[in-house]
Amino acid sequence: GIQVEQSPPDLILQEGANSTLRCNFSDSVNNLQWFHQNPWGQLINLFYIPSGTKQNGRLSATTVATERYSLLYISSSQTTDSGVYFCAVSTGNQFYFGTGTSLTVIP
Amino acid sequence: NAGVTQTPKFQVLKTGQSMTLQCAQDMNHNSMYWYRQDPGMGLRLIYYSASEGTTDKGEVPNGYNVSRLNKREFSLRLESAAPSQTSVYFCASSPPRQGLWPQHFGDGTRLSIL
Repeated sequence: GIQVEQSPPDLILQEGANSTLRCNFSDSVNNLQWFHQNPWGQLINLFYIPSGTKQNGRLSATTVATERYSLLYISSSQTTDSGVYFCAVSTGNQFYFGTGTSLTVIP
Repeated sequence: NAGVTQTPKFQVLKTGQSMTLQCAQDMNHNSMYWYRQDPGMGLRLIYYSASEGTTDKGEVPNGYNVSRLNKREFSLRLESAAPSQTSVYFCASSPPRQGLWPQHFGDGTRLSIL
């Protein structure tokens, strides 16, 4: 299967700081999603972004499919941004998740 | 709210017992999926169903069976539970073209096997 690596594994930020999370994948994909798993365990769709750039409020994401990576940007972080961020990729039938970046935002 | 509903939310089993986890979606999605999430790890695909009447193995299918009862419902069965199956189980669905559209997840079932 496809290997998905996320970095950094852990991140601690002061409220208001910006951050960049990275997702590298080992093969060509036709689907890439970013999820936020909140402290209650719920998985929230952030972006469906197989290529290009998208923005949603303080969050934005860029996928460079030819170079097999995606970036998630969080600006002006808030305590509610805490949780684990997962990248998931698919080649068609199966999805492969990274092990996530655990983000803690301190007031 | 429309979405993916999983039942039960929590369950404790003894080794060797059987159990069926239920999943239903009301978004008219064709594809449905079962994942497990172990501590400190991402989700791993157990089984998926591209459409009503079809099911296929994912990355970690051993010890599980599935049934796509109709377009709305996709169940996961543990025939003889083992402690290694202690995990959080997530069901997901996606629109017509499997793998090419975003997935939507249920809230998970926390399963402990003693």
